[in-house]
Amino acid sequence: DAGVIQSPRHEVTEMGQEVTLRCKPISGHDYLFWYRQTMMRGLELLIYFNNNVPIDDSGMPEDRFSAKMPNASFSTLKIQPSEPRDSAVYFCASKQGASPGMGANVLTFGAGSRLTVL
Amino acid sequence: KQEVTQIPAALSVPEGENLVLNCSFTDSAIYNLQWFRQDPGKGLTSLLLIQSSQREQTSGRLNASLDKSSGRSTLYIAASQPGDSATYLCAVTSGGSYIPTFGRGTSLIVHP
Repeated sequence: DAGVIQSPRHEVTEMGQEVTLRCKPISGHDYLFWYRQTMMRGLELLIYFNNNVPIDDSGMPEDRFSAKMPNASFSTLKIQPSEPRDSAVYFCASKQGASPGMGANVLTFGAGSRLTVL
Repeated sequence: KQEVTQIPAALSVPEGENLVLNCSFTDSAIYNLQWFRQDPGKGLTSLLLIQSSQREQTSGRLNASLDKSSGRSTLYIAASQPGDSATYLCAVTSGGSYIPTFGRGTSLIVHP
């Protein structure tokens, strides 16, 4: 498997523009997480999905952020309109299962999408 | 709410030293704990995962231990090398939530 694939790797945009980040999780993984990383706040969980269903979006900063997972192999994180304070690295991660008895709890990250909003 | 703390925030050591990175968590009802490595400008790479029923895991020069009762995990790196320079993060998955909570990481520099 090619791992978790994110695109774009880098995005530079102007304030007010719409930004869409994409993620392809590892095939067979049931959980998908979106994280944001900044120097000030570290890694923050934005939202996670289980079997394509959003379970907890309490980390989404505000209504400008939205995330979808239309099928098991694709998810998007959208920011509209974007603001300079949204500049960060956005990571997507996936894992197979949640049972503590399984050996499939390893969380695998994508390479990240570095967003700069001018 | 689970809180994860990593101490020290930064560490600089000469090559060859054995070193210990610390991770502490507030809620001992965990499912697992995972250690990651992050190189500058890169994503996170999984190093070791310890299930709640385990006490330690080893991979090469790395050994991770887990003490749930005290809310602590340590990552031991033997015979450190300059290539070990990176930020090391721990993530704790708590009981009931299945959400990994991350510490802020320890930035390690191993100088020749």
